Amino acid sequence: GAVVSQHPSRVICKSGTSVKIECRSLDFQATTMFWYRQFPKQSLMLMATSNEGSKATYEQGVEKDKFLINHASLTLSTLTVTSAHPEDSSFYICSAPSPLGYGYTFGSGTRLTVV
Amino acid sequence: GQQLNQSPQSMFIQEGEDVSMNCTSSSIFNTWLWYKQDPGEGPVLLIALYKAGELTSNGRLTAQFGITRKDSFLNISASIPSDVGIYFCAAAPNSGGYQKVTFGIGTKLQVIP
Repeated sequence: GAVVSQHPSRVICKSGTSVKIECRSLDFQATTMFWYRQFPKQSLMLMATSNEGSKATYEQGVEKDKFLINHASLTLSTLTVTSAHPEDSSFYICSAPSPLGYGYTFGSGTRLTVV
Repeated sequence: GQQLNQSPQSMFIQEGEDVSMNCTSSSIFNTWLWYKQDPGEGPVLLIALYKAGELTSNGRLTAQFGITRKDSFLNISASIPSDVGIYFCAAAPNSGGYQKVTFGIGTKLQVIP
């Protein structure tokens, strides 16, 4: 139980286009979803926290107009990278508090490459 | 902001050897977590610690929540090739499920058969 399904796993897009990443909690309700970005050989950096039914909370330095987060239901949170540029290329990972009360469950990540 | 100092950053060990890695912080955390990440995948939780002084095992893995609440270590006994990966410590200020989690920089473990 407590699976977070993240799609797509890999995406290549052209500079200037937008990309949507989805995270679904498959067998539990996630009122909160954390979105991270991870550059090669680096740790996970929290970008924003999405909450079902309310606005997301962004970390300092993260542009909310560029990284649009929507948490429309208790099982779906999305991150849209708008007007993507090569410097946005990274590994994006979502995470939700485990309903088992045991840490946090992560999605499998999305490798975004902007060309 | 809050930071976790994780060490070592990388290590090569022989199969069968024991491994130890640790995380320290200048701030107090009330939840410590250890994750393993394989290339191109999301982190997978190994052990969660919620009480200062707690020592918890998961198979060949053992982790402890430091009594000062500012550190934690992870031990892997009798390493095997599939232990290869990056291990992250993570910590949260409270024990509830909606806390921002801070991650260490990771320890890259390579096991020589």
